[in-house]
Amino acid sequence: DADVTQTPRNRITKTGKRIMLECSQTKGHDRMYWYRQDPGLGLRLIYYSFDVKDINKGEISDGYSVSRQAQAKFSLSLESAIPNQTALYFCATSDSDRGYEQYFGPGTRLTVT
Amino acid sequence: AQSVTQLDSHVSVSEGTPVLLRCNYSSSYSPSLFWYVQHPNKGLQLLLKYTSAATLVKGINGFEAEFKKSETSFHLTKPSAHMSDAAEYFCVVNSGAGSYQLTFGKGTKLSVIP
Repeated sequence: DADVTQTPRNRITKTGKRIMLECSQTKGHDRMYWYRQDPGLGLRLIYYSFDVKDINKGEISDGYSVSRQAQAKFSLSLESAIPNQTALYFCATSDSDRGYEQYFGPGTRLTVT
Repeated sequence: AQSVTQLDSHVSVSEGTPVLLRCNYSSSYSPSLFWYVQHPNKGLQLLLKYTSAATLVKGINGFEAEFKKSETSFHLTKPSAHMSDAAEYFCVVNSGAGSYQLTFGKGTKLSVIP
């Protein structure tokens, strides 16, 4: 579903490097989310944003930061990447009236060596 | 608080036989429940959703799920498995009451044997 796009799709980086993952959406939704997926653990929420000026920490925000540049754009940064941040990262969006119904991007596979 | 338990981490079926993926949940409120599917190297696709309407929910690709409040279950079924159904499936609960928060199960990997 091209309504939610993520770049890059794959990235290999070294420990200590700063990296940014980007998410864009054309669904017109005001809410955006970042999740990480680890094998056998399902998805866990890193950060979420209800609008451009409203950003909140999720379950596992340590080591991450975010920026909501516009309603349609939400980026996730790893200030100093570490190997246990190797994971699959998903961006999602939802409408404020139906926040529970979230639409996911294709994911970014990040490897930190 | 809400939680979801997928009872099987891996299910293997033969092509043409029924599929049953089991999910139990707990929620303090009247929940919304979802099944998502993730094909290899793909993102998450919404398969079906229950949001307090009909308890038997039909989704895409012939899947359906039944919300059973007395059993706190939301099992996913399909009458006849197809090779293209091989994927990982996630049961997801939302506590309702206007909450955005989704809680994901750990996933069930479905294998389909030719």
